[in-house]
Amino acid sequence: DGGITQSPKYLFRKEGQNVTLSCEQNLNHDAMYWYRQDPGQGLRLIYYSQIVNDFQKGDIAEGYSVSREKKESFPLTVTSAQKNPTAFYLCASNERGTYGGDGYTFGSGTRLTVV
Amino acid sequence: KQEVTQIPAALSVPEGENLVLNCSFTDSAIYNLQWFRQDPGKGLTSLLLIQSSQREQTSGRLNASLDKSSGRSTLYIAASQPGDSATYLCAVRPSSSASKIIFGSGTRLSIRP
Repeated sequence: DGGITQSPKYLFRKEGQNVTLSCEQNLNHDAMYWYRQDPGQGLRLIYYSQIVNDFQKGDIAEGYSVSREKKESFPLTVTSAQKNPTAFYLCASNERGTYGGDGYTFGSGTRLTVV
Repeated sequence: KQEVTQIPAALSVPEGENLVLNCSFTDSAIYNLQWFRQDPGKGLTSLLLIQSSQREQTSGRLNASLDKSSGRSTLYIAASQPGDSATYLCAVRPSSSASKIIFGSGTRLSIRP
């Protein structure tokens, strides 16, 4: 079945450490997105990519980095510069990005906790 | 700037009732509107997608309507069941910045057995 796979499900980070969250999709979608969800704050866009080797900052990109070397993969690195990384991270994709009216598909999320 | 509002933030109803969840948005220039369901600690599951040219979409016991001119969408759930308990989010895809959808803050629904 086609879908988005996020791993790991739970991740623990020590202070000053960089960690990478994985997002893989087999939907052949062009565009991929990373969101952060905090209790009571809804979803906020971190980064998005509409094509391989290109990505754009979202509303809260500081302290995060991404790459898009393959169409099916969009990993997110939470760097030590991110002051408050504890949150639930969601990856999403859609077929045509800016073009067309297709909906979004989401992964099951990664819960990151700073210890 | 597009804003999406969902009221109420939480709703509790007895099993078997029909119910309506509301979503309002401030700018009618949209590509589409999508309703999602989120269970605690899980990702978002797409329920219904309504294009800007459509008035409603149906899937099983769910029916979503869209009134662009008034900036409103409703999600109707028929014969509610305890398994419907979850947070329901609506998201609008503005036509002016189509790459970024805007989410409401959600309605947390609880169905009492």
